[in-house]
Amino acid sequence: AAGVIQSPRHLIKEKRETATLKCYPIPRHDTVYWYQQGPGQDPQFLISFYEKMQSDKGSIPDRFSAQQFSDYHSELNMSSLELGDSALYFCASSLHWTRGAPEQYFGPGTRLTVT
Amino acid sequence: EDQVTQSPEALRLQEGESSSLNCSYTVSGLRGLFWYRQDPGKGPEFLFTLYSAGEEKEKERLKATLTKKESFLHITAPKPEDSATYLCAVRLYSGGGADGLTFGKGTHLIIQP
Repeated sequence: AAGVIQSPRHLIKEKRETATLKCYPIPRHDTVYWYQQGPGQDPQFLISFYEKMQSDKGSIPDRFSAQQFSDYHSELNMSSLELGDSALYFCASSLHWTRGAPEQYFGPGTRLTVT
Repeated sequence: EDQVTQSPEALRLQEGESSSLNCSYTVSGLRGLFWYRQDPGKGPEFLFTLYSAGEEKEKERLKATLTKKESFLHITAPKPEDSATYLCAVRLYSGGGADGLTFGKGTHLIIQP
């Protein structure tokens, strides 16, 4: 079965640079979520989108922004990168709860290293 | 403040030795409790969703149960390939319908042959 696709899988940036992470949800899934997982930590929810609109917001820094496009894929834009932004970034997708059980399926992640 | 606490933090079992992992939660507006398995450097893999107290779900050697304040993940006769970090997460109602999950810190399970 098709899974969530994330690109790139690995990214190395320097401090103060910008980064863009991409997420392609499971076919027919209309809702996308972004999570950040630091070393040895649990995933922390950042933001979610449904039908191109921001739906729920977690601990996303003001330096980060995200959007969902008409084909349901999503991009997470990160600016003024800091060393503390080094982490695994996961995208997850689901059906909206009004269309069925909203189990979130996670992608393989993008490992961001800021030097 | 909403909290999800998992115990134990780490568990080492012999192959075939059954045990249970605990997830306790103090949240308001619970809209589902989820169990995931995560291997190092990989994305969490969905296992179960539980919605109401008394609900149980099974998959191979795993069985998840839910009460009003906690959930258990029972592992029966585990094999070395069951070694992973098991994460519990809760979905809280935010009104938008695409609610982010709040995770516990996980139980790191090692099954020795």
